[in-house]
Amino acid sequence: EAGVAQSPRYKIIEKRQSVAFWCNPISGHATLYWYQQILGQGPKLLIQFQNNGVVDDSQLPKDRFSAERLKGVDSTLKIQPAKLEDSAVYLCASSLGDSTNSPLHFGNGTRLTVT
Amino acid sequence: GQQLNQSPQSMFIQEGEDVSMNCTSSSIFNTWLWYKQDPGEGPVLLIALYKAGELTSNGRLTAQFGITRKDSFLNISASIPSDVGIYFCAGALSSNTGKLIFGQGTTLQVKP
Repeated sequence: EAGVAQSPRYKIIEKRQSVAFWCNPISGHATLYWYQQILGQGPKLLIQFQNNGVVDDSQLPKDRFSAERLKGVDSTLKIQPAKLEDSAVYLCASSLGDSTNSPLHFGNGTRLTVT
Repeated sequence: GQQLNQSPQSMFIQEGEDVSMNCTSSSIFNTWLWYKQDPGEGPVLLIALYKAGELTSNGRLTAQFGITRKDSFLNISASIPSDVGIYFCAGALSSNTGKLIFGQGTTLQVKP
């Protein structure tokens, strides 16, 4: 089984620029998550999709962050404009369902550096 | 918001030693999970706990869901060099696994 694919692996941008990350979940996984992991901290949930609908985006800074999963498969996360504090690893995860019996499978993340 | 306090923050041990780390919260969780993260990779699930008092093993790893539902611990027996990494506890307040709250992590280093 192929894992969760993310690209790019690394991205360096200047503040106020825009950036987009892409995620391809495990085939058949209906639930997709974006997490932000700041250096030295645990991951923090940004947004959760069930198929192509948003389940929870309460912790997404909507003034600058947006995410979509138009066809219920791949997803993109965008930051516009970026701030220095957005420097972090952005992890995508997927699961079969949204119950506690459906473990999350994480991708290797995109490491964003904002200068 | 809810926070998980994970301790210790880091550990440096000799190969063959046993390791214990724990996680506490002021909130009650329905599920406790333990993940390991290697450098440059995403977290990988080690053990999932679903009931208060539950004790579950996965090879040399053993984890328990605290009776109060506000804490959990992870033990690693007879550590080996490949145990090196960052261990995270995570709790779910509801049955929705997406709503995971992660601890700050315990960095484990093993000296051969």
